[in-house]
Amino acid sequence: RKEVEQDPGPFNVPEGATVAFNCTYSNSASQSFFWYRQDCRKEPKLLMSVYSSGNEDGRFTAQLNRASQYISLLIRDSKLSDSATYLCVVIASSSNTGKLIFGQGTTLQVKP
Amino acid sequence: GAGVSQSPSNKVTEKGKDVELRCDPISGHTALYWYRQSLGQGLEFLIYFQGNSAPDKSGLPSDRFSAERTGGSVSTLTIQRTQQEDSAVYLCASSLLLTYSRGYTFGSGTRLTVV
Repeated sequence: RKEVEQDPGPFNVPEGATVAFNCTYSNSASQSFFWYRQDCRKEPKLLMSVYSSGNEDGRFTAQLNRASQYISLLIRDSKLSDSATYLCVVIASSSNTGKLIFGQGTTLQVKP
Repeated sequence: GAGVSQSPSNKVTEKGKDVELRCDPISGHTALYWYRQSLGQGLEFLIYFQGNSAPDKSGLPSDRFSAERTGGSVSTLTIQRTQQEDSAVYLCASSLLLTYSRGYTFGSGTRLTVV
């Protein structure tokens, strides 16, 4: 079983739609959680950290459920520019190196 | 520099040749990481540096892979006797160790093609 699992998609949605991505992680000791965005043939860029209380950044909302070891990302009012691959990332608390463990990513395509 | 710089951006090499990939992290960042992303795959951890030492090299796929870091700054990833399965994008990231919980900055990567 992979340490971080995501539905690879692709998710094809119209502009203005709301779309949700889910991610599960296997290591209950995981401590830090992130969503990264990766555009085609580009490097990953930090989209947002994910906190237990949930957090929002504009149209993006991230949630963490530690009991279920589940992380989500909600994108409201999708824009064409949101088309990208979204990577779920964790760091284990047992790691003193800060090593990021990546999911394989979920591809989003927003259509006009 | 302002960001993480990697060179070359693209490298095509013949099978069996050695290659060196360079990473210049953000100034002052003590933690440096190498990752690899094969076509259609997620990012795979290779090695972590804290300063000039590498306390975690568990991701290096074989003894053909090695890396070093000098002066707590520039890092070089060397692949000896390259094979076609080494073809991938090699990404470097750096972080101030105490802020790693806020994520890292990645370089734009070196796209390695072994023919």
